Amino acid sequence: SQQGEEDPQALSIQEGENATMNCSYKTSINNLQWYRQNSGRGLVHLILIRSNEREKHSGRLRVTLDTSKKSSSLLITASRAADTASYFCATDAADSWGKFQFGAGTQVVVTP
Amino acid sequence: DGGITQSPKYLFRKEGQNVTLSCEQNLNHDAMYWYRQDPGQGLRLIYYSQIVNDFQKGDIAEGYSVSREKKESFPLTVTSAQKNPTAFYLCASSKLTGNTGELFFGEGSRLTVL
Repeated sequence: SQQGEEDPQALSIQEGENATMNCSYKTSINNLQWYRQNSGRGLVHLILIRSNEREKHSGRLRVTLDTSKKSSSLLITASRAADTASYFCATDAADSWGKFQFGAGTQVVVTP
Repeated sequence: DGGITQSPKYLFRKEGQNVTLSCEQNLNHDAMYWYRQDPGQGLRLIYYSQIVNDFQKGDIAEGYSVSREKKESFPLTVTSAQKNPTAFYLCASSKLTGNTGELFFGEGSRLTVL
């Protein structure tokens, strides 16, 4: 079963706007990660946030984690056309070390 | 350059045939994974291995088999028992330092059953 669930399923924005997507999960986790996938390609790691962290930044990316609500959000600021991709959250459940499970993803389209 | 190599990139199979997808990594990672992705959907875990000669079933292992005889290699066999094998298959590896690890993915193998 999918551990993480993202919303929205799809997001269409213009260049320069911010894109926010959310991930909810079901069980206690060691960490939560966000990945990006361009169409027909493999996934690329973006950022990892540990269960004892609440917020993390990397360039134009900002990730938050609320373990009490079992949810995370990914914010991409000042979007570019090159940010067009699908974004997935992945969790590593606390009772299943090293078993990474993914959500269904958010498809983001950034138009020039 | 270090990375994960999946082959073949495209594969066509007739119903009733077994096929094997190759996954090789030169990152010296202990853990390796196989995921299946259907159109417009997320990744579902088929099998994973955290050490040579050991592997565990994921969420959708039925109709698939794996082996881990070498640290660098984790081939996936899609057997005739898999009723709907047409999908995009992704292999990944991870160093698993402490209680966490980043996944590194190959470019995927697209299997089509004719």
